[in-house]
Amino acid sequence: GEDVEQSLFLSVREGDSSVINCTYTDSSSTYLYWYKQEPGAGLQLLTYIFSNMDMKQDQRLTVLLNKKDKHLSLRIADTQTGDSAIYFCAETRTSGTYKYIFGTGTRLKVLA
Amino acid sequence: DGGITQSPKYLFRKEGQNVTLSCEQNLNHDAMYWYRQDPGQGLRLIYYSQIVNDFQKGDIAEGYSVSREKKESFPLTVTSAQKNPTAFYLCASTQRGQGGTGELFFGEGSRLTVL
Repeated sequence: GEDVEQSLFLSVREGDSSVINCTYTDSSSTYLYWYKQEPGAGLQLLTYIFSNMDMKQDQRLTVLLNKKDKHLSLRIADTQTGDSAIYFCAETRTSGTYKYIFGTGTRLKVLA
Repeated sequence: DGGITQSPKYLFRKEGQNVTLSCEQNLNHDAMYWYRQDPGQGLRLIYYSQIVNDFQKGDIAEGYSVSREKKESFPLTVTSAQKNPTAFYLCASTQRGQGGTGELFFGEGSRLTVL
């Protein structure tokens, strides 16, 4: 079946790196996304990766994809207090469905 | 600026009342979605629409209804049949295909509280 799993909480100190993990189950061609949600707001796209890629880097963000284990991670370098939020991973197939499957979200708390 | 507008931001409802949440987008997207968010449960799909005048049930459609009469509008009605409607509701849209990444664009959400 379709499922996306994440750990619920992560706490890091300001300036350290944060690594948020996600596992997914769909092995077909997919897009995988990382979204950020601040309190009381909608979700904002941080980055995405296609399932035929291994890694993507965008400034402080690094996405790693392990297709064998169906494991996706988001690394935030030099984590700042403004990074405190809920982070969601999500997947969708590139064809055949318009559905998106979201993880439960990881609440990141950055300690000053 | 292009985007998705949800209204109202906050809504209070008495038990037994129907309420309608508005979602409007000016991104010219074909597909629109409604999600419900509860603490610790992520986003659950209520309804989605791939094109005007067509929509499909998501995973938790019971007690909700939608319409898609215009491309830019996808209102959600929370009916009295919805047993536990207090939640944060998110509307989203996307343009699938055409070489894009299928990114979902979200509104700012509507918080519904049943008194």
